[in-house]
Amino acid sequence: RKEVEQDPGPFNVPEGATVAFNCTYSNSASQSFFWYRQDCRKEPKLLMSVYSSGNEDGRFTAQLNRASQYISLLIRDSKLSDSATYLCVVVGVAGANNLFFGTGTRLTVIP
Amino acid sequence: GAVVSQHPSRVICKSGTSVKIECRSLDFQATTMFWYRQFPKKSLMLMATSNEGSKATYEQGVEKDKFLINHASLTLSTLTVTSAHPEDSSFYICSARGGQGESQTYNEQFFGPGTRLTVL
Repeated sequence: RKEVEQDPGPFNVPEGATVAFNCTYSNSASQSFFWYRQDCRKEPKLLMSVYSSGNEDGRFTAQLNRASQYISLLIRDSKLSDSATYLCVVVGVAGANNLFFGTGTRLTVIP
Repeated sequence: GAVVSQHPSRVICKSGTSVKIECRSLDFQATTMFWYRQFPKKSLMLMATSNEGSKATYEQGVEKDKFLINHASLTLSTLTVTSAHPEDSSFYICSARGGQGESQTYNEQFFGPGTRLTVL
């Protein structure tokens, strides 16, 4: 079983739409969770951390559900510039070096 | 956020040659650097973790004699792909993390821009 699983998409949504991605993880002891954004042929860049209480940054909301072992990312009022691949990232245990990456979900926002 | 550079950004080489990729943290001291590989439409896969001044720790299935990692200073790590083969063609990305005393979140890794290796 993979450490982190994501729906690869693609998600094609019109500008202004709300879109949500989920990501499941297998290790119940996982401590830290992140969403990264990766543009085509570029390196991943941290979008936001995911806290137990959930967190919001502008149009982006991230949530963690430990009971069901998944994290989610909600994007409201989608912009063309949101088109990218969104990677779910999980740190296995506290202080661990390894980040486990999902395969990413491809989002295309259409004018 | 912190800045990590990689050089070269793109390299094309013949089968059997060796290729060195440099990863530098430009504005912070990276106690730990990571090397990842990403094949098309696949997720990033960790190859090895290196701590400054000590031997790298390789992930299962990654040949340490083929992928030589040197982390000689707190701002530089190198990955050498020895005797490269076409199946080594991939996107290689390094990332760096500072010590727990650094201002950024301990678990946050800052990624270099990546090196696209094509072996003919």
